[in-house]
Amino acid sequence: ETGVTQTPRHLVMGMTNKKSLKCEQHLGHNAMYWYKQSAKKPLELMFVYSLEERVENNSVPSRFSPECPNSSHLFLHLHTLQPEDSALYLCASSQDLYNEQFFGPGTRLTVL
Amino acid sequence: AQTVTQSQPEMSVQEAETVTLSCTYDTSESDYYLFWYKQPPSRQMILVIRQEAYKQQNATENRFSVNFQKAAKSFSLKISDSQLGDAAMYFCACNSGTYKYIFGTGTRLKVLA
Repeated sequence: ETGVTQTPRHLVMGMTNKKSLKCEQHLGHNAMYWYKQSAKKPLELMFVYSLEERVENNSVPSRFSPECPNSSHLFLHLHTLQPEDSALYLCASSQDLYNEQFFGPGTRLTVL
Repeated sequence: AQTVTQSQPEMSVQEAETVTLSCTYDTSESDYYLFWYKQPPSRQMILVIRQEAYKQQNATENRFSVNFQKAAKSFSLKISDSQLGDAAMYFCACNSGTYKYIFGTGTRLKVLA
């Protein structure tokens, strides 16, 4: 695997379910990001980790819980989501906090 | 606060022709970076081109070039000799030297055969 990978690619869940999104980067980068992409809206930065420490929690509801166990892996734990949380969730990484980001393919999340 | 505005939700270009995508931004920082990213349908977002604000020379990458007007806070992307594979969503982004990338709403580019 090369670049940034995300699993699963598609996820359908009910509002009472608990699920997790996984992101892995094979680039040796130090920073990782979660974004939410909704139609006709700018990408919304959710969380940022640098050297496994969270540096940004962009006013994201607590039903989204990130985890960064090491510099190569990033998770987004989901519980009791709402239908408006349906979106494409993108993971990205960068060498440091100022360089261009490399994106994963995204997880298309549908909340019923 | 930083903002990035892409005023063209959709653009079309004939194959082999040239098209320009517009982007304006606002930042109070003197040092910042500007990017254009491409997101093909159902595929990963990739970097097209990057411009450092302190550089006066416009960045160029093969058929892609930018027109960076710092005073006007404008950062347009020109695609020359358009190809069918250029069809995608194009996002303009600004980074003021922090982890906070601000993205525009995107421009969908259609390439007509």
